[in-house]
Amino acid sequence: QKEVEQDPGPLSVPEGAIVSLNCTYSNSAFQYFMWYRQYSRKGPELLMYTYSSGNKEDGRFTAQVDKSSKYISLFIRDSQPSDSATYLCAPTFPYTDKLIFGTGTRLQVFP
Amino acid sequence: DSGVTQTPKHLITATGQRVTLRCSPRSGDLSVYWYQQSLDQGLQFLIQYYNGEERAKGNILERFSAQQFPDLHSELNLSSLELGDSALYFCASSPSWENTEAFFGQGTRLTVV
Repeated sequence: QKEVEQDPGPLSVPEGAIVSLNCTYSNSAFQYFMWYRQYSRKGPELLMYTYSSGNKEDGRFTAQVDKSSKYISLFIRDSQPSDSATYLCAPTFPYTDKLIFGTGTRLQVFP
Repeated sequence: DSGVTQTPKHLITATGQRVTLRCSPRSGDLSVYWYQQSLDQGLQFLIQYYNGEERAKGNILERFSAQQFPDLHSELNLSSLELGDSALYFCASSPSWENTEAFFGQGTRLTVV
């Protein structure tokens, strides 16, 4: 079993839709949960991260962690064509040396 | 712009050759990480340096090596290149050895022919 799994997509939605991107992980010791966004031919950029379980909101983005089911979600409200990118989840340990990434979900938002 | 600079942006080389990829971290960041991204494997951690010392190793092949210099820039050396080494190589940096907020460069696209 992979440590982190994501549906590769592509997920194609119309502009204005609510998008749900999901990730599952296997190691219950993970405590930080990060989402990176990667535009085509660019480096990943940190979108947001949460610590332990619960929700965190940042503008149109909400990250949700359910540690009991080892499930991470990123919701995007009022999606825009500029949100078209690959979204990578990266659960990690505290005081860690490396990030373990999921393979990413490609999102396409069409006008 | 993340502040992490990678050179070159593109590299085409033949099998069996050796190449060096360079990374300049963000100003003040002591930790540098190298990742390989290929279509079928996703983003794979290779190696991390912190303030000049190797701190963590991931799935890095023996043909690959890295170092971090006193000015904190880092180089990733890839030798005896094979077709399967074709990938995007990313460098990331963070202020400390904790990878909580790592900033990625734009990557070097390596094509081995």
